[in-house]
Amino acid sequence: DGGITQSPKYLFRKEGQNVTLSCEQNLNHDAMYWYRQDPGQGLRLIYYSQIVNDFQKGDIAEGYSVSREKKESFPLTVTSAQKNPTAFYLCASSRRTGENYNEQFFGPGTRLTVL
Amino acid sequence: EDKVVQSPLSLVVHEGDTVTLNCSYEVTNFRSLLWYKQEKKAPTFLFMLTSSGIEKKSGRLSSILDKKELFSILNITATQTGDSAVYLCAVAGGTSYGKLTFGQGTILTVHP
Repeated sequence: DGGITQSPKYLFRKEGQNVTLSCEQNLNHDAMYWYRQDPGQGLRLIYYSQIVNDFQKGDIAEGYSVSREKKESFPLTVTSAQKNPTAFYLCASSRRTGENYNEQFFGPGTRLTVL
Repeated sequence: EDKVVQSPLSLVVHEGDTVTLNCSYEVTNFRSLLWYKQEKKAPTFLFMLTSSGIEKKSGRLSSILDKKELFSILNITATQTGDSAVYLCAVAGGTSYGKLTFGQGTILTVHP
């Protein structure tokens, strides 16, 4: 049963702590993405990775870090430098061939709340 | 800077009504425009449009792209309560393949 999994579903963090959000896919997709969604706003790109061991900053990368050591996995760390981290985080993946590159499949999301 | 604007931001209708959602964009090196439906969590893919004037259809949903005027519309006919969701428009363009720019979304509420 192919898909994208994210964990945890809900995460609470105290100010000043780093947290890592997990994203795993078994779709054999090369490209993976992290988005942030705030109420009343669309999705904003944090980081993306087109192949293993390579990733690029998106539009709002400050205060976040990622790694891509395996094709299936693209964890996102929200650091204490991120000033307003409370949000809904979505992970996505896509193929890298032709138009399929643009059709992204999404995981169920992680809702992060900073207390 | 790439920009995608959706309208209206929210819409309330009754079952059976027809709705039209709008998406306009300013993107360098346009490649495609995508529509997603987001109910509670993960957005689910609806359509990808790359050519002007060719309508894509799936059941009661249809969409068309106008690359000259830089917009797309998503139509839903005979709406049902299950159509209640946030509809997201995204555009692929720029220099990086795979990078999507999303609009704010349209919140559609369908009352019985």
